[in-house]
Amino acid sequence: DAKTTQPPSMDCAEGRAANLPCNHSTISGNEYVYWYRQIHSQGPQYIIHGLKNNETNEMASLIITEDRKSSTLILPHATLRDTAVYYCIALRYAGNNRKLIWGLGTSLAVNP
Amino acid sequence: DARVTQTPRHKVTEMGQEVTMRCQPILGHNTVFWYRQTMMQGLELLAYFRNRAPLDDSGMPKDRFSAEMPDATLATLKIQPSEPRDSAVYFCASGLVLSNQDNYNEQFFGPGTRLTVL
Repeated sequence: DAKTTQPPSMDCAEGRAANLPCNHSTISGNEYVYWYRQIHSQGPQYIIHGLKNNETNEMASLIITEDRKSSTLILPHATLRDTAVYYCIALRYAGNNRKLIWGLGTSLAVNP
Repeated sequence: DARVTQTPRHKVTEMGQEVTMRCQPILGHNTVFWYRQTMMQGLELLAYFRNRAPLDDSGMPKDRFSAEMPDATLATLKIQPSEPRDSAVYFCASGLVLSNQDNYNEQFFGPGTRLTVL
């Protein structure tokens, strides 16, 4: 299972873009990269996922390097409500059995 | 607004007592996950069900933990006997997987059960 590595904490000014990096150098060809976030005292919430192409949705953009060894989650205009722990996860894709391998995530603080 | 519900939200019990946590997945979802979260270990997958069948419970201590899905609307996680080291927040999540080739794996999490074993 691919291990992901994230910085333990980051700060961002409100209204600016938040760029959260993730290293997954051991990721295999069929493992997807998923991003979730967890706001204090709540369950994690899905943000976005991708395999090798960049992805964008209403919440964020996901940039995956060509060699797939790292990715960056971009929150284009961070708000105070984006303060949360952000998890970068590799999905082990093996037929019926699929596990999200959770790390400790990045604690993002959005400051006014 | 479809949500995963969990009961109880908080549970305080004494060591040795039985604890049962319940989860109602989102109607129509065919996968259910049980996670445990602590400050030290982060989120750990305990068990994973698909179409009510257990697919993976390798993360669960078998001697004291058990997970079941009596029907499609109810998943249970039981600890017997409970120990102080079981103190954690237990999350249930559900999702919809259409086929083995389906790479979409969004999991919808419930609010969690905060368990304290004294």
